[in-house]
Amino acid sequence: GQQLNQSPQSMFIQEGEDVSMNCTSSSIFNTWLWYKQDPGEGPVLLIALYKAGELTSNGRLTAQFGITRKDSFLNISASIPSDVGIYFCAGQLWTNAGKSTFGDGTTLTVKP
Amino acid sequence: GAGVSQSPSNKVTEKGKDVELRCDPISGHTALYWYRQSLGQGLEFLIYFQGNSAPDKSGLPSDRFSAERTGGSVSTLTIQRTQQEDSAVYLCASSLYGRGNTEAFFGQGTRLTVV
Repeated sequence: GQQLNQSPQSMFIQEGEDVSMNCTSSSIFNTWLWYKQDPGEGPVLLIALYKAGELTSNGRLTAQFGITRKDSFLNISASIPSDVGIYFCAGQLWTNAGKSTFGDGTTLTVKP
Repeated sequence: GAGVSQSPSNKVTEKGKDVELRCDPISGHTALYWYRQSLGQGLEFLIYFQGNSAPDKSGLPSDRFSAERTGGSVSTLTIQRTQQEDSAVYLCASSLYGRGNTEAFFGQGTRLTVV
């Protein structure tokens, strides 16, 4: 099946710093999704990308759908303590009825 | 309720016992998904329901795993003869439609520990 490589695995940053994480795949996806998961909770959708080359923002978050359709990145600007959590990328194919393939996650720690 | 509800939130069971995990999706959502999340890992797809039928069961790890959905609403994931490697968080998600709809809402999960 399709595999997603997400990096970095973890990040330790100072409050106020910008963060960047990315996902790459060996094959194309039609949709890229970015989720955040807090401890003891299910993932919550942050940004959905539907078109190659698309750049979408949600507050301090910006994500891009790679032009090759095999990669995506997520940037967080001016990080704050509540950004702490695990960030997952996920890819979907139109033929797969909304089923997502997930990366292994990036654990973000923000030091005040 | 307003969100996806899963029960129990935690389950400890002895190896070899059967367990049932329940998911109440958001009212009106036709698509329902089960995922498994092992410690430090991403989510692993198990099964997808559209209404009461399961067009994609490709992620179920073995024949000890089964799931059903009734009334186009509640779903139950059953694991028979549990093994220690079944220990994980089992997450359920629902979305308004399956194909063409990307916004799936997740429940809080059931943490299963097999001892």
